[in-house]
Amino acid sequence: EAGVAQSPRYKIIEKRQSVAFWCNPISGHATLYWYQQILGQGPKLLIQFQNNGVVDDSQLPKDRFSAERLKGVDSTLKIQPAKLEDSAVYLCASSFTSGSSYEQYFGPGTRLTVT
Amino acid sequence: SQQGEEDPQALSIQEGENATMNCSYKTSINNLQWYRQNSGRGLVHLILIRSNEREKHSGRLRVTLDTSKKSSSLLITASRAADTASYFCATDDEGGSYIPTFGRGTSLIVHP
Repeated sequence: EAGVAQSPRYKIIEKRQSVAFWCNPISGHATLYWYQQILGQGPKLLIQFQNNGVVDDSQLPKDRFSAERLKGVDSTLKIQPAKLEDSAVYLCASSFTSGSSYEQYFGPGTRLTVT
Repeated sequence: SQQGEEDPQALSIQEGENATMNCSYKTSINNLQWYRQNSGRGLVHLILIRSNEREKHSGRLRVTLDTSKKSSSLLITASRAADTASYFCATDDEGGSYIPTFGRGTSLIVHP
């Protein structure tokens, strides 16, 4: 079974530039999550999709971050414009459906450095 | 949503020893999950324990749940260098939808 795919794996940009991350979840998984993990901390949920609808985006900085999941499969997360404090690993995860009974499968992450 | 808090923040042991780490939470839960993160394999689900379970085993892993104390422990027996990683618990709220929340984790180093 193919895992969660993410690209790019690494990205370096200057502050005020824009960046986009892509995620392809495990086939058949209805729920998709985007997390931000700053060095030394646990993953922080940014947004959760159930199919192509948003379940929770309460921790997404909506003035600069946006995410979409068209057709309920792939998803993109965009930052525009980036700030220095956005330097982190961005993790995508998927699960069969929403709910705490279902384990999440994580992708390898995208390491973003903002200079 | 609520945040599980892992304790200790860091743990250093010798290969073959047992490692115990704890997770505390604040409100009632339906389920609690443990995850491991290392540089090689990323973040991986280890085990899920439901609120009506007190103990669960998976290979060298043993998880306990004490709902009266709102805490869980993860025991790794006969540790190996490959167990070196950060360990996180993720909790939900009994009444609400599942918004997964991770703590800062326990950093485990197993010396060969």
